[in-house]
Amino acid sequence: KNEVEQSPQNLTAQEGEFITINCSYSVGISALHWLQQHPGGGIVSLFMLSSGKKKHGRLIATINIQEKHSSLHITASHPRDSAVYICAVSGGGADGLTFGKGTHLIIQP
Amino acid sequence: DAGVIQSPRHEVTEMGQEVTLRCKPISGHNSLFWYRQTMMRGLELLIYFNNNVPIDDSGMPEDRFSAKMPNASFSTLKIQPSEPRDSAVYFCASSFHQTGLGYTFGSGTRLTVV
Repeated sequence: KNEVEQSPQNLTAQEGEFITINCSYSVGISALHWLQQHPGGGIVSLFMLSSGKKKHGRLIATINIQEKHSSLHITASHPRDSAVYICAVSGGGADGLTFGKGTHLIIQP
Repeated sequence: DAGVIQSPRHEVTEMGQEVTLRCKPISGHNSLFWYRQTMMRGLELLIYFNNNVPIDDSGMPEDRFSAKMPNASFSTLKIQPSEPRDSAVYFCASSFHQTGLGYTFGSGTRLTVV
């Protein structure tokens, strides 16, 4: 079974700061997902990637397959970015996701 | 598309009662997943279906839990009898088979068993 580790568990930063959240996994995967969960809210898929880098607005996700590591970056962070960010991996085909424990991000004005 | 639709949003029930959670996946998605989220264990896969067929139910905690997908547009997760430790948020998600593209979560059902 894949072990997914995220760091940091908690992160508080000031508005405008560059944010990095890291994720590592133990076994080869077919895809890695970054998810966002707001307090009391649902889960939104931000990225699904299997190689390289993806960018959407102020969010950037990278993955290094050889090192079994991915990072999620937020540029020019804003209080509305405050949420739990969850890394999840899938092994192939249509099997379900294995999740990290999440990073609680708070962006202060 | 309205996304993945789950019902009810909230459910409070007494211990021993049967609970049924419902999910309507996105049209065209042929993989459906049931997840459970608790403070202690985070998000966990319970069961997933491909083309309405259960593929892996190893995450189902015990025989009190059962899931069905009678057709491509509907799935249920049933707990009978319910126990207080089943209290959690249950999420349904769907995606395109094999590629995992379009992975979309429902809003979840918050279950409280008293």
